[in-house]
This record gives sequence, structure tokens and C-alpha cells, in this order.
Amino acid sequence: GAGVSQSPSNKVTEKGKDVELRCDPISGHTALYWYRQSLGQGLEFLIYFQGNSAPDKSGLPSDRFSAERTGGSVSTLTIQRTQQEDSAVYLCASSLAGTGGEKLFFGSGTQLSVL
Amino acid sequence: SQQGEEDPQALSIQEGENATMNCSYKTSINNLQWYRQNSGRGLVHLILIRSNEREKHSGRLRVTLDTSKKSSSLLITASRAADTASYFCAINSGGSNYKLTFGKGTLLTVNP
Repeated sequence: GAGVSQSPSNKVTEKGKDVELRCDPISGHTALYWYRQSLGQGLEFLIYFQGNSAPDKSGLPSDRFSAERTGGSVSTLTIQRTQQEDSAVYLCASSLAGTGGEKLFFGSGTQLSVL
Repeated sequence: SQQGEEDPQALSIQEGENATMNCSYKTSINNLQWYRQNSGRGLVHLILIRSNEREKHSGRLRVTLDTSKKSSSLLITASRAADTASYFCAINSGGSNYKLTFGKGTLLTVNP
């Protein structure tokens, strides 16, 4: 597609439920990133994909968080047993090769609200 | 990995004035990037400056990098109301050549 697409744009869920957030990167971009942004804060790195593998999962806050990428394209971030502190905007970005010195293209994010 | 710190946290100016935002960091970098965010959603890349560069321009934007002071500045000249947004610096450093670490941003308000 023309840009990075994320869905849903907004998600309201109850504490304890599981949620899936989807990211569709720019076609041909091998690198994909997930970031989280809490209200008024900077971006917190979660995970990086190069193709379908995730060489860096260091930012995932707990084992309730997982992510996968299939076909070198679409990625899904799953949060199990959601907690109120998971409420944030989840941003996905992609870049051509992930080799550094590249700009990231961001989606519009998913606003997650855990009640 | 290190995080850039933007200064000031918030800046309010009149249309037509120049806006300057600063970013400081702690260790050596590969490159530093500036991004803009409207309304707390997607970020848009503005400029990338490499560690061996000192200044870059793009339209009304000018970015400088002083590696001896470990700081960068973003200057927006002749600001417009549409420039109102949050501006973030992002650091690429060390061996993780793919990872960008973002600061908390400067909220710029340009009053008409």
C-alpha cells in the first residue's frame, strides 16, 4: 500500500481480555518496528522484525506481549490478559532494509484503552 | 541504548517567528533524526543527520549537529499555525544500527 496501515485505529477492551493489533507495512519494506507511546510521553521501543524474524524483542514489557510477522509483511502484536497500564497508543513503523541510517515510516497507531 | 532529551518541553510562539528546539544525548551516535507528530498519532520523518555532518536544510527546517557537545537543534523559520505539533529527536547509536530511541518531545504551539 501507499503507507503503513494499522488496525483498528481505536480499541476499547476490558481488563483481562486479549487484544490483537495489526500492522500492514509499506510493500517491500523488510524492517518492521512496534513502539508504544503513553500519554504525553516519548516512544518506547517494543520489538523489531527483519523479514519474519525478530532479532530484538528486548522492549516487550512482559510475557503477556507477543508479536509475529508472516510473509515478510503483516505483523500482529498480541497483548494477553490486558491491564490498565497497557493503555497507550501502539505505533508500527517500517523501513526499507533496517540497516540504520534510514527513516522510519509510521502508521497512525492504535489507541488502546483498557477499562 | 540511549535516549535523546528534547528541550524545551513546550514552546509557544507567534506565527512568523522562528522556533528552535534542542536535543541532547549522552554517547556517540550513528545518526540523529527529527520527527513530527500531530495530535498524538503517526510520526512523520523530517530530517536525518549523520554523525559526520554538521548541518542540513530542508525547506524551512535547519538541523545542526554538534558531536563535541552531544547536541542537535532543529530550527523552523517563519513558523505557521500548521507547524503546531510535537517534535521528537531520535537517536541511532552503537551496534543496533536499526533501532531508533526517541526522546519525550517538544510540544510546539504556533499562535495565529
